[in-house]
Amino acid sequence: DTAVSQTPKYLVTQMGNDKSIKCEQNLGHDTMYWYKQDSKKFLKIMFSYNNKELIINETVPNRFSPKSPDKAHLNLHINSLELGDSAVYFCASSQLPGLSPGNTIYFGEGSWLTVV
Amino acid sequence: GQQVMQIPQYQHVQEGEDFTTYCNSSTTLSNIQWYKQRPGGHPVFLIQLVKSGEVKKQKRLTFQFGEAKKNSSLHITATQTTDVGTYFCAGPAAGNKLTFGGGTRVLVKP
Repeated sequence: DTAVSQTPKYLVTQMGNDKSIKCEQNLGHDTMYWYKQDSKKFLKIMFSYNNKELIINETVPNRFSPKSPDKAHLNLHINSLELGDSAVYFCASSQLPGLSPGNTIYFGEGSWLTVV
Repeated sequence: GQQVMQIPQYQHVQEGEDFTTYCNSSTTLSNIQWYKQRPGGHPVFLIQLVKSGEVKKQKRLTFQFGEAKKNSSLHITATQTTDVGTYFCAGPAAGNKLTFGGGTRVLVKP
Protein backbone atom coordinates (compact mmCIF):
# COMPACT_ATOMS: atom_id res chain seq x y z
CA ASP A 1 0.00 0.00 0.00
CA THR A 2 2.61 2.51 -1.11
CA ALA A 3 1.41 6.05 -0.37
CA VAL A 4 3.38 7.85 -3.09
CA SER A 5 4.52 5.63 -5.93
CA GLN A 6 6.61 6.62 -8.90
CA THR A 7 7.81 4.74 -11.96
CA PRO A 8 10.26 3.86 -13.22
CA LYS A 9 12.63 3.48 -10.26
CA TYR A 10 15.69 3.33 -12.50
CA LEU A 11 16.10 4.86 -15.91
CA VAL A 12 19.23 4.88 -18.06
CA THR A 13 18.91 6.72 -21.33
CA GLN A 14 20.97 8.46 -23.97
CA MET A 15 21.42 12.16 -24.41
CA GLY A 16 18.79 13.74 -26.58
CA ASN A 17 16.07 11.27 -25.70
CA ASP A 18 12.68 12.18 -24.24
CA LYS A 19 11.50 10.38 -21.12
CA SER A 20 8.66 10.50 -18.61
CA ILE A 21 8.39 9.68 -14.92
CA LYS A 22 4.96 8.93 -13.50
CA CYS A 23 3.73 9.53 -9.99
CA GLU A 24 0.59 8.61 -8.11
CA GLN A 25 -0.47 9.18 -4.52
CA ASN A 26 -3.30 7.40 -2.69
CA LEU A 27 -3.30 9.65 0.38
CA GLY A 28 -6.06 11.93 -0.83
CA HIS A 29 -3.69 14.90 -0.73
CA ASP A 30 -4.38 18.07 -2.68
CA THR A 31 -0.78 19.04 -3.35
CA MET A 32 1.95 17.23 -5.26
CA TYR A 33 5.58 18.08 -5.97
CA TRP A 34 8.60 17.17 -8.00
CA TYR A 35 11.98 17.50 -6.29
CA LYS A 36 15.41 16.96 -7.80
CA GLN A 37 18.27 15.59 -5.71
CA ASP A 38 21.74 15.91 -7.15
CA SER A 39 24.85 13.89 -6.36
CA LYS A 40 25.60 16.16 -3.40
CA LYS A 41 22.22 15.33 -1.90
CA PHE A 42 20.77 18.82 -2.30
CA LEU A 43 16.98 18.64 -2.52
CA LYS A 44 15.52 21.30 -4.76
CA ILE A 45 11.90 21.83 -5.56
CA MET A 46 11.02 21.92 -9.25
CA PHE A 47 7.25 22.09 -9.43
CA SER A 48 4.21 22.00 -7.23
CA TYR A 49 0.58 21.45 -8.11
CA ASN A 50 -2.45 22.04 -5.94
CA ASN A 51 -5.67 20.46 -7.16
CA LYS A 52 -4.21 20.12 -10.66
CA GLU A 53 -3.17 23.78 -10.75
CA LEU A 54 0.50 24.70 -11.07
CA ILE A 55 1.48 26.80 -8.04
CA ILE A 56 5.25 26.56 -7.96
CA ASN A 57 7.42 26.60 -11.03
CA GLU A 58 11.05 27.00 -10.13
CA THR A 59 13.72 28.05 -12.55
CA VAL A 60 14.11 24.84 -14.45
CA PRO A 61 14.74 24.43 -18.19
CA ASN A 62 11.54 24.35 -20.20
CA ARG A 63 12.60 20.89 -21.36
CA PHE A 64 10.93 19.80 -18.12
CA SER A 65 7.16 19.77 -18.32
CA PRO A 66 4.92 18.55 -15.51
CA LYS A 67 1.41 17.35 -16.10
CA SER A 68 -1.33 16.68 -13.56
CA PRO A 69 -4.32 14.86 -15.10
CA ASP A 70 -6.00 14.74 -11.67
CA LYS A 71 -4.98 15.60 -8.15
CA ALA A 72 -3.73 12.05 -7.48
CA HIS A 73 -1.27 12.07 -10.37
CA LEU A 74 1.66 14.24 -11.32
CA ASN A 75 3.88 13.19 -14.18
CA LEU A 76 7.17 14.68 -15.30
CA HIS A 77 8.20 14.73 -18.94
CA ILE A 78 11.74 15.63 -19.92
CA ASN A 79 12.69 16.48 -23.49
CA SER A 80 16.12 16.36 -25.07
CA LEU A 81 17.83 14.89 -22.04
CA GLU A 82 21.27 16.21 -21.11
CA LEU A 83 24.06 14.74 -19.02
CA GLY A 84 23.36 17.28 -16.28
CA ASP A 85 19.83 15.95 -15.88
CA SER A 86 21.24 12.85 -14.20
CA ALA A 87 19.86 12.88 -10.67
CA VAL A 88 17.26 11.34 -8.43
CA TYR A 89 13.80 12.77 -8.98
CA PHE A 90 11.40 12.55 -6.06
CA CYS A 91 7.68 12.92 -6.32
CA ALA A 92 5.98 14.03 -3.12
CA SER A 93 2.60 15.04 -1.78
CA SER A 94 1.07 16.91 1.14
CA GLN A 95 -2.43 17.73 2.30
CA LEU A 96 -1.91 21.46 1.76
CA PRO A 97 0.55 23.58 -0.17
CA GLY A 98 3.50 25.03 1.69
CA LEU A 99 4.90 24.26 5.07
CA SER A 100 2.22 25.13 7.56
CA PRO A 101 2.02 23.49 11.00
CA GLY A 102 0.73 19.96 10.69
CA ASN A 103 1.33 19.79 6.94
CA THR A 104 4.05 17.23 6.25
CA ILE A 105 5.46 16.03 2.99
CA TYR A 106 5.40 12.39 1.91
CA PHE A 107 8.02 11.39 -0.61
CA GLY A 108 7.98 8.65 -3.18
CA GLU A 109 10.89 6.25 -3.39
CA GLY A 110 12.61 8.22 -6.12
CA SER A 111 13.48 7.69 -9.77
CA TRP A 112 17.20 7.34 -10.48
CA LEU A 113 17.80 8.93 -13.88
CA THR A 114 21.16 8.41 -15.58
CA VAL A 115 21.83 10.13 -18.88
CA VAL A 116 24.73 8.69 -20.87
CA GLY B 1 15.89 34.76 -0.70
CA GLN B 2 15.44 32.76 2.43
CA GLN B 3 18.08 30.11 2.95
CA VAL B 4 18.35 27.19 5.30
CA MET B 5 21.89 26.12 6.10
CA GLN B 6 22.94 22.95 7.86
CA ILE B 7 26.21 22.14 9.58
CA PRO B 8 28.14 20.00 9.52
CA GLN B 9 27.78 18.64 6.02
CA TYR B 10 29.31 15.35 7.13
CA GLN B 11 29.40 13.77 10.57
CA HIS B 12 31.55 10.71 11.28
CA VAL B 13 30.53 9.26 14.62
CA GLN B 14 31.83 6.36 16.64
CA GLU B 15 29.03 3.99 17.58
CA GLY B 16 27.83 4.84 21.06
CA GLU B 17 28.86 8.50 20.93
CA ASP B 18 26.59 11.56 20.83
CA PHE B 19 26.47 14.25 18.17
CA THR B 20 24.51 17.32 17.18
CA THR B 21 23.61 18.75 13.80
CA TYR B 22 22.51 22.34 13.36
CA CYS B 23 20.12 24.15 11.07
CA ASN B 24 20.21 27.94 10.60
CA SER B 25 17.85 30.17 8.70
CA SER B 26 18.44 33.67 7.40
CA THR B 27 14.87 34.60 8.38
CA THR B 28 12.45 33.77 11.17
CA LEU B 29 10.59 30.53 10.55
CA SER B 30 6.96 29.86 11.43
CA ASN B 31 7.90 26.23 11.89
CA ILE B 32 10.62 23.77 10.97
CA GLN B 33 10.56 20.14 9.97
CA TRP B 34 13.21 17.43 10.10
CA TYR B 35 13.50 14.54 7.68
CA LYS B 36 15.76 11.50 7.51
CA GLN B 37 16.94 9.84 4.31
CA ARG B 38 18.56 6.44 4.59
CA PRO B 39 21.20 5.56 1.97
CA GLY B 40 19.41 4.69 -1.25
CA GLY B 41 16.09 5.73 0.26
CA HIS B 42 13.77 8.69 0.27
CA PRO B 43 13.29 11.49 2.83
CA VAL B 44 10.97 10.50 5.65
CA PHE B 45 9.35 12.99 8.00
CA LEU B 46 10.64 12.87 11.56
CA ILE B 47 9.19 15.82 13.42
CA GLN B 48 7.88 19.36 13.24
CA LEU B 49 8.66 22.20 15.68
CA VAL B 50 6.42 25.22 15.89
CA LYS B 51 6.91 27.09 19.16
CA SER B 52 9.85 29.24 20.15
CA GLY B 53 12.25 27.24 22.33
CA GLU B 54 10.32 24.02 21.73
CA VAL B 55 12.06 20.74 22.55
CA LYS B 56 10.79 17.38 21.39
CA LYS B 57 12.23 13.92 21.90
CA GLN B 58 11.97 10.74 19.93
CA LYS B 59 13.82 8.00 21.81
CA ARG B 60 17.50 8.92 21.38
CA LEU B 61 16.76 11.95 19.16
CA THR B 62 16.22 15.40 20.69
CA PHE B 63 15.00 18.25 18.50
CA GLN B 64 15.12 21.90 19.54
CA PHE B 65 13.76 25.08 18.01
CA GLY B 66 15.65 28.25 18.86
CA GLU B 67 14.14 31.07 20.90
CA ALA B 68 14.30 33.40 17.92
CA LYS B 69 12.90 30.69 15.61
CA LYS B 70 15.84 31.08 13.26
CA ASN B 71 17.71 27.93 14.16
CA SER B 72 17.15 24.35 15.16
CA SER B 73 19.22 21.41 16.29
CA LEU B 74 19.04 17.64 16.30
CA HIS B 75 20.98 15.80 18.99
CA ILE B 76 21.43 12.04 18.85
CA THR B 77 22.65 10.18 21.91
CA ALA B 78 24.38 6.80 21.89
CA THR B 79 24.56 6.64 18.10
CA GLN B 80 23.70 3.32 16.50
CA THR B 81 24.34 1.99 13.00
CA THR B 82 20.63 2.46 12.30
CA ASP B 83 21.19 6.23 12.60
CA VAL B 84 23.17 6.23 9.34
CA GLY B 85 21.68 8.53 6.72
CA THR B 86 21.21 12.16 5.77
CA TYR B 87 19.24 14.41 8.07
CA PHE B 88 17.50 17.38 6.50
CA CYS B 89 15.82 20.35 8.10
CA ALA B 90 13.21 22.22 6.10
CA GLY B 91 11.50 25.52 6.56
CA PRO B 92 8.89 27.60 4.74
CA ALA B 93 10.18 30.13 2.24
CA ALA B 94 8.67 32.92 0.22
CA GLY B 95 6.06 31.72 -2.24
CA ASN B 96 4.87 29.09 0.22
CA LYS B 97 7.73 26.79 -0.71
CA LEU B 98 9.38 24.25 1.49
CA THR B 99 13.12 24.90 1.47
CA PHE B 100 15.43 22.11 2.50
CA GLY B 101 18.82 22.56 4.07
CA GLY B 102 21.80 20.88 2.45
CA GLY B 103 21.59 17.96 4.89
CA THR B 104 24.03 16.39 7.32
CA ARG B 105 25.32 13.05 6.14
CA VAL B 106 25.90 10.79 9.15
CA LEU B 107 28.32 7.89 8.98
CA VAL B 108 28.67 5.57 11.97
CA LYS B 109 31.86 3.69 12.74
CA PRO B 110 31.15 0.39 14.49
